[in-house]
Amino acid sequence: GENVEQHPSTLSVQEGDSAVIKCTYSDSASNYFPWYKQELGKRPQLIIDIRSNVGEKKDQRIAVTLNKTAKHFSLHITETQPEDSAVYFCAALSGAGSYQLTFGKGTKLSVIP
Amino acid sequence: GAVVSQHPSRVICKSGTSVKIECRSLDFQATTMFWYRQFPKQSLMLMATSNEGSKATYEQGVEKDKFLINHASLTLSTLTVTSAHPEDSSFYICSAIGGGTNYGYTFGSGTRLTVV
Repeated sequence: GENVEQHPSTLSVQEGDSAVIKCTYSDSASNYFPWYKQELGKRPQLIIDIRSNVGEKKDQRIAVTLNKTAKHFSLHITETQPEDSAVYFCAALSGAGSYQLTFGKGTKLSVIP
Repeated sequence: GAVVSQHPSRVICKSGTSVKIECRSLDFQATTMFWYRQFPKQSLMLMATSNEGSKATYEQGVEKDKFLINHASLTLSTLTVTSAHPEDSSFYICSAIGGGTNYGYTFGSGTRLTVV
């Protein structure tokens, strides 16, 4: 099955700096890669996603890049703000029509004012 | 957008009792629903996949007789934790997707289960 590795597990940045979180996946058939932000005790919120036919996608301060050959994808947050502090999860959708999402272990991002 | 309602949000039960958690898709038909468990400071772990009208598919290590899943309609899936024990205390969260090629996972708000 799919295996998703996520790094780093914790990340502290100064307000205004950029944050990068990286993930790798194992199943070459995976074709959809969402990123979620989860605040304590709440549901994961989709912040951005990318499909396998695209190499990069941007939405204001958030961007995701995908390298299918290397099987890795990254989340980039620019001009970080304290409200960006949360746990971020990457995920990969298993191929073969199973529609199962496999999550990374998460990254706790702390933005220091 | 798509909304998934999950109830209850919090439940405290005595050891040995059963608890039912409901997950409803409010404005779309969810052909497939997923149930996850999340322990503190950990990631979401898939427990089972349920398709409307058929038996759920459980992940390895998840006891199907302990975690009963019913997906009787296109808008409702339930998870029943039977004979709950303190180690079952966790955050349970469902997600749903519609039919076709919709990859738009929608998560429920989660249920914090505490077994005392």
